[in-house]
Amino acid sequence: DAKTTQPTSMDCAEGRAANLPCNHSTISGNEYVYWYRQIHSQGPQYIIHGLKNNETNEMASLIITEDRKSSTLILPHATLRDTAVYYCIVRVMDSSYKLIFGSGTRLLVRP
Amino acid sequence: GEEVAQTPKHLVRGEGQKAKLYCAPIKGHSYVFWYQQVLKNEFKFLISFQNENVFDETGMPKERFSAKCLPNSPCSLEIQATKLEDSAVYFCASSLAGGGADGYTFGSGTRLTVV
Repeated sequence: DAKTTQPTSMDCAEGRAANLPCNHSTISGNEYVYWYRQIHSQGPQYIIHGLKNNETNEMASLIITEDRKSSTLILPHATLRDTAVYYCIVRVMDSSYKLIFGSGTRLLVRP
Repeated sequence: GEEVAQTPKHLVRGEGQKAKLYCAPIKGHSYVFWYQQVLKNEFKFLISFQNENVFDETGMPKERFSAKCLPNSPCSLEIQATKLEDSAVYFCASSLAGGGADGYTFGSGTRLTVV
């Protein structure tokens, strides 16, 4: 699986957009970008995923650059409950299927 | 149900004792994955199943760890002769189709403490 690079930590003000970057410069054509988050010690929560087009759901938006070497997860109006560790994962859609987690970005949403 | 149910939530074992963890995947999900997270650090993949068949066991410490997914029963992860370093939170996840681009659903984990 391609490796990802994320900042160790970030913070943003409540109500503002949180933009979490991820570099995946060695990504291949058949690899998807997934985002998960872990709040406290709960199980990871699926947020969104994409291949090459930008994606949006009720939780977030995913912007993938045209060369697919980086992406940004956007939480449009961050709340205190969005404080968590966010993981960017690149997964090969082959016979393995497993997710390889990196270190993630610890996002702190400030009141 | 629509959640992955892991039991027990907490488990304390003396060094050398056996530990058994259970995971009930979402009904209809064919793939089950086990992960180990030590001290809120990175997740380590252990093993995956496609129905009752082992799919990928490249992460399993085979000497003391074993896992099963039997029909009509929760999946299980068993650690024989636990060691202090096995203390971790063990997460189970299930997926409708492993090869599809769907998100995996994780359970809330079992915290194993070896004393």
